[in-house]
Amino acid sequence: EAEVAQSPRYKITEKSQAVAFWCDPISGHATLYWYRQILGQGPELLVQFQDESVVDDSQLPKDRFSAERLKGVDSTLKIQPAELGDSAMYLCASSLFFSPGGYEQYFGPGTRLTVT
Amino acid sequence: DQQVKQNSPSLSVQEGRISILNCDYTNSMFDYFLWYKKYPAEGPTFLISISSIKDKNEDGRFTVFLNKSAKHLSLHIVPSQPGDSAVYFCAASVRSGNTPLVFGKGTRLSVIA
Repeated sequence: EAEVAQSPRYKITEKSQAVAFWCDPISGHATLYWYRQILGQGPELLVQFQDESVVDDSQLPKDRFSAERLKGVDSTLKIQPAELGDSAMYLCASSLFFSPGGYEQYFGPGTRLTVT
Repeated sequence: DQQVKQNSPSLSVQEGRISILNCDYTNSMFDYFLWYKKYPAEGPTFLISISSIKDKNEDGRFTVFLNKSAKHLSLHIVPSQPGDSAVYFCAASVRSGNTPLVFGKGTRLSVIA
């Protein structure tokens, strides 16, 4: 069964350092989403791509976060510099069609980030 | 301001009994509602959804009920099984507006054998 792949699964970094996460969506899925889930909260959308274009990045803290999906396939989310409050689970999801409402979104296992 | 609320952080149920997970929302524009299930160290998995034009949707042991006037939905699991133990997230969207999902904080269900 096709799955969304994410790496690394766990990352520990010191504050002020740079960190990057990678996501490979299900093959053929045009839409890719990055979510952040803080412990005890539900996931919150950070950015969504349709192919290589950013559709919505209104919740992305652009002073320190950046995201790209250069060839419209895999994607990288970067944080520079990391802050203590960035400790969270970062989830990637993909969908075959543009479906921000959530129907048929498939999630990866996530990257657990701890900033010390 | 939390638009989707799951007021019970946890729920324990005996195996074989009914599990009822509740969710309230405040945004009357929401027209599509979903439940996701999440095991530790895994991403959320889509479980069941309901459109605002319906008041009930059933899939096997899982049924979602929607009460639009009360802005309330619930997920019923009958009969509950130990493998159902997970965190359940309620989510909502304005599907016609292509807006992102808004998730609740989740309810941790423990099914006791």
